[in-house]
Amino acid sequence: DADVTQTPRNRITKTGKRIMLECSQTKGHDRMYWYRQDPGLGLRLIYYSFDVKDINKGEISDGYSVSRQAQAKFSLSLESAIPNQTALYFCATSRSQQNSPLHFGNGTRLTVT
Amino acid sequence: AQTVTQSQPEMSVQEAETVTLSCTYDTSESDYYLFWYKQPPSRQMILVIRQEAYKQQNATENRFSVNFQKAAKSFSLKISDSQLGDAAMYFCAYRRGAETSGSRLTFGEGTQLTVNP
Repeated sequence: DADVTQTPRNRITKTGKRIMLECSQTKGHDRMYWYRQDPGLGLRLIYYSFDVKDINKGEISDGYSVSRQAQAKFSLSLESAIPNQTALYFCATSRSQQNSPLHFGNGTRLTVT
Repeated sequence: AQTVTQSQPEMSVQEAETVTLSCTYDTSESDYYLFWYKQPPSRQMILVIRQEAYKQQNATENRFSVNFQKAAKSFSLKISDSQLGDAAMYFCAYRRGAETSGSRLTFGEGTQLTVNP
């Protein structure tokens, strides 16, 4: 079944470490997104990509970077992790049609100590 | 900027009863889309229902229906015949209709629904 796969599922890291969260998809969608979820805040957009050569900042991109290595792969990096980046991170994909919903991976729970 | 507000952090319902989750949004756009997503304890995000703003008819998916009030900028979700498996966090989300928006969704804060047996 076509899917959106995130690795790792859970990760604990220390302040100041560089960490990468990976996302791959078999849905054949052009568009990919990274969101973070915090209690009481819902999901907020970090970065999004329309295709391999297109990367855009979302509403909370500071402290994060991304790489679209291929149509099917979109990774999120925390250059120097800090405790307030502790959150649940979601990768999502969508078609380019206007009414297309997002299809989410199962999330990565990141804890920064 | 568009905002989405879910004013009920928590709701509960008895099994087999009906519950309505509220969502309001703020936008100056006339073309947009609205979604409800469900997040069970497995933390997977599951699309429940979607509504196009240009459609006057309220969307329905089995036991799930919406009450879309465009003038009031309200988009509530009604769950009929609630089941234990409906227990989850529910998120309302908004998307501008313009192509340049890139399908980005703006989410509300979420409503945690408990279903009591």
